Amino acid sequence: KQEVTQIPAALSVPEGENLVLNCSFTDSAIYNLQWFRQDPGKGLTSLLLIQSSQREQTSGRLNASLDKSSGRSTLYIAASQPGDSATYLCAVTYNFNKFYFGSGTKLNVKP
Amino acid sequence: ETGVTQTPRHLVMGMTNKKSLKCEQHLGHNAMYWYKQSAKKPLELMFVYSLEERVENNSVPSRFSPECPNSSHLFLHLHTLQPEDSALYLCASSQDPDSYEQYFGPGTRLTVT
Repeated sequence: KQEVTQIPAALSVPEGENLVLNCSFTDSAIYNLQWFRQDPGKGLTSLLLIQSSQREQTSGRLNASLDKSSGRSTLYIAASQPGDSATYLCAVTYNFNKFYFGSGTKLNVKP
Repeated sequence: ETGVTQTPRHLVMGMTNKKSLKCEQHLGHNAMYWYKQSAKKPLELMFVYSLEERVENNSVPSRFSPECPNSSHLFLHLHTLQPEDSALYLCASSQDPDSYEQYFGPGTRLTVT
């Protein structure tokens, strides 16, 4: 059974800090990996998608890396802001429509 | 506005009640999904519909009954639920069932008493 683990489960940092969220998966034969953001009362928003052949993707202050062989991905957030406070979910796919999600990291950025 | 709406946003029901969750997508997509998100657990895929036909059912108990009358609407009919069914139920849609780009609704927070 494919499992996706996210560490830490919760993180609280002061505004302006750079931070790293971790995701690991048991089966390295992934098709792709996505990082999502979930805000209370709202749905999931896709932040970054990394194909299995890629090593990283960047969008603004976000950078996601992928090491398939070790079954790990990291989401790097630079210069964190209070608006970054949310739950961040990692999901891998082995087949096109089958996502396996982690339990998420709840981030709180304090002003 | 994500293009995927869900109603109601919150629902409290007893174990003997029957209720339905509704999802509507305004994106012209052909595939729709139901997910369950329990506290401190990963999202679990429940059902997948493609062009109104159910293509996947992930061993979901029969007290959850999905219905997809057209490609824009998806329902989840609930009856004789258990307290452990309390969760956030998320609907998503994608252009087709092979797409990894899914758009999620805000979810329905269900509490079973």
